[in-house]
Amino acid sequence: KAGVTQTPRYLIKTRGQQVTLSCSPISGHRSVSWYQQTPGQGLQFLFEYFSETQRNKGNFPGRFSGRQFSNSRSEMNVSTLELGDSALYLCASSLWPGTQETQYFGPGTRLLVL
Amino acid sequence: SQQGEEDPQALSIQEGENATMNCSYKTSINNLQWYRQNSGRGLVHLILIRSNEREKHSGRLRVTLDTSKKSSSLLITASRAADTASYFCATPGDAGNMLTFGGGTRLMVKP
Repeated sequence: KAGVTQTPRYLIKTRGQQVTLSCSPISGHRSVSWYQQTPGQGLQFLFEYFSETQRNKGNFPGRFSGRQFSNSRSEMNVSTLELGDSALYLCASSLWPGTQETQYFGPGTRLLVL
Repeated sequence: SQQGEEDPQALSIQEGENATMNCSYKTSINNLQWYRQNSGRGLVHLILIRSNEREKHSGRLRVTLDTSKKSSSLLITASRAADTASYFCATPGDAGNMLTFGGGTRLMVKP
């Protein structure tokens, strides 16, 4: 079974631009979560989607948004990029939502904002 | 905010030695997970241990959980150079599928 895939793997943007990152979960998985990883803040939860609905959102500004499609694929968008948005963005999928489920992570998208 | 905190932050050992990493957390949990990350790549799930389990094994990995002390440990036996990575513990967040990660332990295994 193919793992979680994320595209693109690397991205360079400039301040003020916007970016869209994509995540395809493991086949059959319906829950997708997004995390941001930076050297200073570590791994932080962004949001979680299940059945095309956002179930939870972390403590991030409204510039960070996401959505999930009927095939469980998910996208996240960051508008008006800031230098501090430079990070590794990780997507994780699981069969169902809920903290008893193992989450499987993709390779991440490394975003550099100049 | 971080729920789990790993200790030590960094660990350097020789190939063949055992490596032990510890994780402490603050609130009651129903499970705890360990992940490995190689050099800024994605996280690889290692083990999930539930609150009613005290010990769990997977190959060369052994995880213990002490809910009374709110702590967990990950033991890697007979380490290999390929085990060089960062190791994170993760506990359930407030709701849903959110995981709260510790700062990680950076393990270096020298050949």
